Amino acid sequence: DAKTTQPNSMESNEEEPVHLPCNHSTISGTDYIHWYRQLPSQGPEYVIHGLTSNVNNRMASLAIAEDRKSSTLILHRATLRDAAVYYCILRVFVSSGSARQLTFGSGTQLTVLP
Amino acid sequence: DAGVIQSPRHEVTEMGQEVTLRCKPISGHNSLFWYRQTMMRGLELLIYFNNNVPIDDSGMPEDRFSAKMPNASFSTLKIQPSEPRDSAVYFCASSFGSSAPEKLFFGSGTQLSVL
Repeated sequence: DAKTTQPNSMESNEEEPVHLPCNHSTISGTDYIHWYRQLPSQGPEYVIHGLTSNVNNRMASLAIAEDRKSSTLILHRATLRDAAVYYCILRVFVSSGSARQLTFGSGTQLTVLP
Repeated sequence: DAGVIQSPRHEVTEMGQEVTLRCKPISGHNSLFWYRQTMMRGLELLIYFNNNVPIDDSGMPEDRFSAKMPNASFSTLKIQPSEPRDSAVYFCASSFGSSAPEKLFFGSGTQLSVL
């Protein structure tokens, strides 16, 4: 299975942009790149996903390298409520004809400083 | 929509006892996932259902663990007998769709402590 590599932790100042990197050098052509985040004492929450093109939504932007071996989650203005563990995940096929599972790595703990 | 509902929020039990965790997925979703989270191993997928049928249970640790989905609106994860190493937060998630990509919606989890 393709794996992802993320820094264990990152810090950001409040109201500044945050760039969270993810390496996935063994990604396959059909794997989507998903990002989830987990706030303290909560279940993971969907943030964004993409395949090849950069993506934007109300929460964040996803920049995908041209060779798809890495991606970056961008929070444009970090707030204290963005402090969480951010997971970069590749969608994995379980078996032929059936759907898929999301395998979570260890993620990046983002600390937002006031 | 109330989201994915899990019960109980907290469960404390003694080693050897049976534990049943419950999950109500979001109405209309056709896939359901059970995850376990510990400090040591992070988030692990235990089992995944599609249209109430177990598709992949390769993550279920051992025979002490079993999961059922009798209908589209309810699933259980049972541990019998429970052991201290089963202590973890158990999350249920649901999604809609049969092809990528789909968003998973997670419940708030059940904190299980086995003494």
